[in-house]
Amino acid sequence: GDSVTQMEGPVTLSEEAFLTINCTYTATGYPSLFWYVQYPGEGLQLLLKATKADDKGSNKGFEATYRKETTSFHLEKGSVQVSDSAVYFCALSDNDMRFGAGTRLTVKP
Amino acid sequence: DSGVTQTPKHLITATGQRVTLRCSPRSGDLSVYWYQQSLDQGLQFLIQYYNGEERAKGNILERFSAQQFPDLHSELNLSSLELGDSALYFCASSPQWAGGPEQFFGPGTRLTVL
Repeated sequence: GDSVTQMEGPVTLSEEAFLTINCTYTATGYPSLFWYVQYPGEGLQLLLKATKADDKGSNKGFEATYRKETTSFHLEKGSVQVSDSAVYFCALSDNDMRFGAGTRLTVKP
Repeated sequence: DSGVTQTPKHLITATGQRVTLRCSPRSGDLSVYWYQQSLDQGLQFLIQYYNGEERAKGNILERFSAQQFPDLHSELNLSSLELGDSALYFCASSPQWAGGPEQFFGPGTRLTVL
């Protein structure tokens, strides 16, 4: 069945560092891909999405490109801030939504 | 604010007890999803309802059950509670039956079983 594998954490970075969180997927169809973010004590919020191959989702300085050839949807940000500290979930949606295990990011001043 | 509401925010109970968690989806959303998030198992899909009918089942224990009412709110019932049931329980909603659109998550109910 469909599945999502994302980079295990935790990830600790200094402020203004470059962030990459890897996500790869397995799907039989043509899923939509998502990144969700969960800040401490809160529910999941949609960060960005892409619905077809080569689409780039972006929001709040984060970007991810839907790569069909490598079945990937890696999350990137050029300069992270302390406020980006959170857990990030990669997900796909075809007939059902599948979430990755989550990657905890801590950004230190 | 996602528009999805969940009550209560926190729940503390004892082993063997039964609790009910409540979720109200975003206005107009017909699908409701329940998830369990524990420290060691990440986000686990439990069950989905669409317009009052069960549509998909995930890793939901037999001790757990859910339903969606005609006004589209949903309840998750957890019975014979065990220590391992302590977790965050999230509800999410989406407008469609399956596929494509994102899900909108509520703030969660934190269940502590003592």
